[in-house]
Amino acid sequence: SQKIEQNSEALNIQEGKTATLTCNYTNYSPAYLQWYRQDPGRGPVFLLLIRENEKEKRKERLKVTFDTTLKQSLFHITASQPADSATYLCALAGGSYIPTFGRGTSLIVHP
Amino acid sequence: DAGVIQSPRHEVTEMGQEVTLRCKPISGHDYLFWYRQTMMRGLELLIYFNNNVPIDDSGMPEDRFSAKMPNASFSTLKIQPSEPRDSAVYFCASSFFRQGAIDTQYFGPGTRLTVL
Repeated sequence: SQKIEQNSEALNIQEGKTATLTCNYTNYSPAYLQWYRQDPGRGPVFLLLIRENEKEKRKERLKVTFDTTLKQSLFHITASQPADSATYLCALAGGSYIPTFGRGTSLIVHP
Repeated sequence: DAGVIQSPRHEVTEMGQEVTLRCKPISGHDYLFWYRQTMMRGLELLIYFNNNVPIDDSGMPEDRFSAKMPNASFSTLKIQPSEPRDSAVYFCASSFFRQGAIDTQYFGPGTRLTVL
């Protein structure tokens, strides 16, 4: 069956460091992968989309990589700030383009 | 645009009661999604509509759940009768088709449902 795995343990890092979150998947042929941010009590907010034929995407302090051979995406936040603390969800979409979400990883950036 | 609007934001009800959640998508979006989020199961897709027509309701847990979209600016998710295990946060999201794919989804603030 299709599965999306994100680390269930919170990632704790110090301000200024680079945070790296992982999204692994099995039994998927994704057309694209997305990353969303979710703050407590709010809905997810879209951050970045990367297509199957792309290796890397950047937006300001954010970088996403997509390795369809390893079936893995890495999400990086450089020069992290306490305001980056949130839960980050990855979502994969196949041929139907309807995304399926992972359960998310909580990031805590300590000042 | 005000974004996706959901009401109510919080709902507390007793087991067996009917619950109706409401959603107003972003104007111009032709896809509407209903999700349920719990700690145990994460964010689950319940049903989605395209141009007001239900396309896939395979995520609806059982017949107690129903969803409608009478027009492009309004959708409801109804649970009748409600049960304690329905307690969750319900999100509505909207999107549109662009460049050969469904674009990113815009989520509402969610409705936190508690069934006692």
